[in-house]
Amino acid sequence: EAGVAQSPRYKIIEKRQSVAFWCNPISGHATLYWYQQILGQGPKLLIQFQNNGVVDDSQLPKDRFSAERLKGVDSTLKIQPAKLEDSAVYLCASSSHGGARTGELFFGEGSRLTVL
Amino acid sequence: AQKITQTQPGMFVQEKEAVTLDCTYDTSDQSYGLFWYKQPSSGEMIFLIYQGSYDEQNATEGRYSLNFQKARKSANLVISASQLGDSAMYFCAMREGHNTDKLIFGTGTRLQVFP
Repeated sequence: EAGVAQSPRYKIIEKRQSVAFWCNPISGHATLYWYQQILGQGPKLLIQFQNNGVVDDSQLPKDRFSAERLKGVDSTLKIQPAKLEDSAVYLCASSSHGGARTGELFFGEGSRLTVL
Repeated sequence: AQKITQTQPGMFVQEKEAVTLDCTYDTSDQSYGLFWYKQPSSGEMIFLIYQGSYDEQNATEGRYSLNFQKARKSANLVISASQLGDSAMYFCAMREGHNTDKLIFGTGTRLQVFP
């Protein structure tokens, strides 16, 4: 079974530029998450999708961040314009909510963003 | 507010020895789940072990066990017979209730295993 795929793995941009990250979850997983992990901290949830609907985006800085999951499969996270404090690893995760008892999340390897 | 606290920024352990990584949590919910994830230098978060709030026995998965003390709100991870490949960041996380998979993570503990 293929895992969660993310791209690009690394991205370096200057502040005020834009960037987009892509995620393809495990096949059949209805729930998709984007987490932000700043160096030295634990991951923080940015947005959660259930199929193509948003379940929780309370911690998404909506003035600059946007995310979509139009067909309920893969997802794109965009930052425009980027700020220095957006430098972080962006982790995508998926889960089969309502399936596994533990509700385990499966994570991708992340996309590391550096804003100069 | 829900909170996960990991007070050990770093831990060292000799190969083949056991090590305990601390985690305390705070929640007002009666139903919740506790997780431990491993994050090697590659960046991927790897699920290790899960404990439900109503589980009476401590969870075990191979060399990993979770020392769950509900009254003290602690969920410490015990790794037995440490291996060099166990060197990584370890995160404790909590899920509240049954109707969400949303996880709240602690700040992590960096474990280094030396020969």
